Amino acid sequence: EAGVTQFPSHSVIEKGQTVTLRCDPISGHDNLYWYRRVMGKEIKFLLHFVKESKQDESGMPNNRFLAERTGGTYSTLKVQPAELEDSGVYFCASSALTGGGSYEQYFGPGTRLTVT
Amino acid sequence: AQKVTQAQTEISVVEKEDVTLDCVYETRDTTYYLFWYKQPPSGELVFLIRRNSFDEQNEISGRYSWNFQKSTSSFNFTITASQVVDSAVYFCALSEANRGSYIPTFGRGTSLIVHP
Repeated sequence: EAGVTQFPSHSVIEKGQTVTLRCDPISGHDNLYWYRRVMGKEIKFLLHFVKESKQDESGMPNNRFLAERTGGTYSTLKVQPAELEDSGVYFCASSALTGGGSYEQYFGPGTRLTVT
Repeated sequence: AQKVTQAQTEISVVEKEDVTLDCVYETRDTTYYLFWYKQPPSGELVFLIRRNSFDEQNEISGRYSWNFQKSTSSFNFTITASQVVDSAVYFCALSEANRGSYIPTFGRGTSLIVHP
């Protein structure tokens, strides 16, 4: 079974440009999450999809970030326009169960975003 | 509010030494879950263990063991007879039951370097 995949693995862009990150969850997983880790700091939650609906987007830093999950399969996270402080590693995770219960989240390898 | 503290930023040991990674958490919930994840050089986060707040039994899995103590709000992780392949960043995380989707809060991670 394929795990969570993310593309690209690394992206270097200039301040003011746009970047789109993609996440393909494990097939059949309704829950999809985005997280971000700035160098040396905590991994921070950005948002949570249940199928195609945003369940919780309390961690999204500002309106320069737009996440979508059309059709409830893969998800994209667009940063427009990118700022220097957006640099970090963006992780995607997916899990199978919905509702309550601490279900296991499977993480992808992350996309390292560098804004210069 | 929930918080996870991993005071050790980096630990360096020689192969075959035992090493303990500390994790201290804060929560007002009586129902919560604690996790450890491993991030090897390849980048993905690998799930190691989940423990709920009602189960204080220590757990051993091969060379790995976990010591959960509610009295000190700690969930420490010990690797016995460390190996070079254990070199990675290790994250401790906490999720609270009152947050419906059980989104974990991560610590900053401890980088473990095992020298041959």
